[in-house]
Amino acid sequence: GQQLNQSPQSMFIQEGEDVSMNCTSSSIFNTWLWYKQEPGEGPVLLIALYKAGELTSNGRLTAQFGITRKDSFLNISASIPSDVGIYFCAGRRTSYDKVIFGPGTSLSVIP
Amino acid sequence: NAGVTQTPKFQVLKTGQSMTLQCAQDMNHEYMSWYRQDPGMGLRLIHYSVGAGITDQGEVPNGYNVSRSTTEDFPLRLLSAAPSQTSVYFCASSYSGGGTIRAFFGQGTRLTVV
Repeated sequence: GQQLNQSPQSMFIQEGEDVSMNCTSSSIFNTWLWYKQEPGEGPVLLIALYKAGELTSNGRLTAQFGITRKDSFLNISASIPSDVGIYFCAGRRTSYDKVIFGPGTSLSVIP
Repeated sequence: NAGVTQTPKFQVLKTGQSMTLQCAQDMNHEYMSWYRQDPGMGLRLIHYSVGAGITDQGEVPNGYNVSRSTTEDFPLRLLSAAPSQTSVYFCASSYSGGGTIRAFFGQGTRLTVV
């Protein structure tokens, strides 16, 4: 079945540093989604990507839809303490298909 | 809009008991889904629905049933609870149209099966 892998599994960075994480799939997706989850809360959608090569920003966050359609990348610039959380990628093959999630990247920011 | 509302927030069940986790959304979203979240395993899809009257299995459907009689509600039923079903359950809804996606998760239901 479909499977998503995320790397790294966890990150410990200094405040102000940039962060990069990625997500790879065994299947081709037509939509990539990036979510953030804080403790005790449900995930919140950060960025949605709809076509290969697309680069989309949301404040200090930038995500890219990989050319192969089997991967996606998320960058966070100038990290701050409130960036702490688990970042999940998610994808679907078609507009009416199920959305599956990766295992997440846990981000810790050291002030 | 209340968004996605899940009830209850916490539940303890004995092995073999059945129960229904409720999920309701007031955004007229067609797509709804249930996930379970276990440490280190991300969110695994249990069942999903692309509209009223339509449901399909996700990655881990065994032991769970769903129905979608209305656009607003998508209950998840545990038929005979097992300790392996101890988890945090999230319901989500989304809308795709005009080249954009709007997606929301509920606050989660923390279930313990003893």
